[in-house]
Amino acid sequence: EIVLTQSPATLSLSPGERATLSCRASQSVTNYLTWYQQKPGQAPRLLIYDASNRATGIPARFSGSGSGTDFTLTISSLEPEDFAVYYCQQRSSGLSFGGGTRVEIK
Amino acid sequence: QLQLQESGPGLVKPSETLSLTCSVSDDSIRSNTYFWGWIRQPPGKGLEWIGSIRLGGNTHYNPSLASRVSVSRDTSKNQFSLKLSSMAAADTAIYYCARGTGGYNWHYWGLGTLVTVSS
Repeated sequence: EIVLTQSPATLSLSPGERATLSCRASQSVTNYLTWYQQKPGQAPRLLIYDASNRATGIPARFSGSGSGTDFTLTISSLEPEDFAVYYCQQRSSGLSFGGGTRVEIK
Repeated sequence: QLQLQESGPGLVKPSETLSLTCSVSDDSIRSNTYFWGWIRQPPGKGLEWIGSIRLGGNTHYNPSLASRVSVSRDTSKNQFSLKLSSMAAADTAIYYCARGTGGYNWHYWGLGTLVTVSS
């Protein structure tokens, strides 16, 4: 089973700041890495697939990078609606999710 | 806009089998383009994939749940279903159904349904 470790667990930032979220895989997942955003009481929303491709309708301030075992989700300038929990997910071998990173208002 | 809607009991007794259905608003369940899956989330915790199915009937299950899980689909009703046996308190969660493309990129999700396991 591939284990995904997300860091930090919580990120405290102010609107307008840059957010950098990390997802590390226990073995290579090539580029089969997806990022989701989840707000309280809502289902997750797909942001980035295949490590760096933005899903339809996702603002350009969200970007993904990485390959192999190390991946990053970057939010270039936080908007008020971006404060949420973010999960990574791999589909290289089976399917597994990371534990999530909470982005909270500082 | 595609809609997915989970339905089923909100309360299940320990040792019973949970049965959930996901209704799909269009007939895309008849296309081989998509994957159909179940994902759950215990209250206040992270996401866990349960299992998936494609048009041809090929299923794929989380190894940790495989002995208890069955996913099926009914294309005539635009639905797919989950059965999870031997329910325990640890199975209390919000259960989501979802449609995936490109191999388990879950683009569309249902609103989720809370299932509580309690006697």
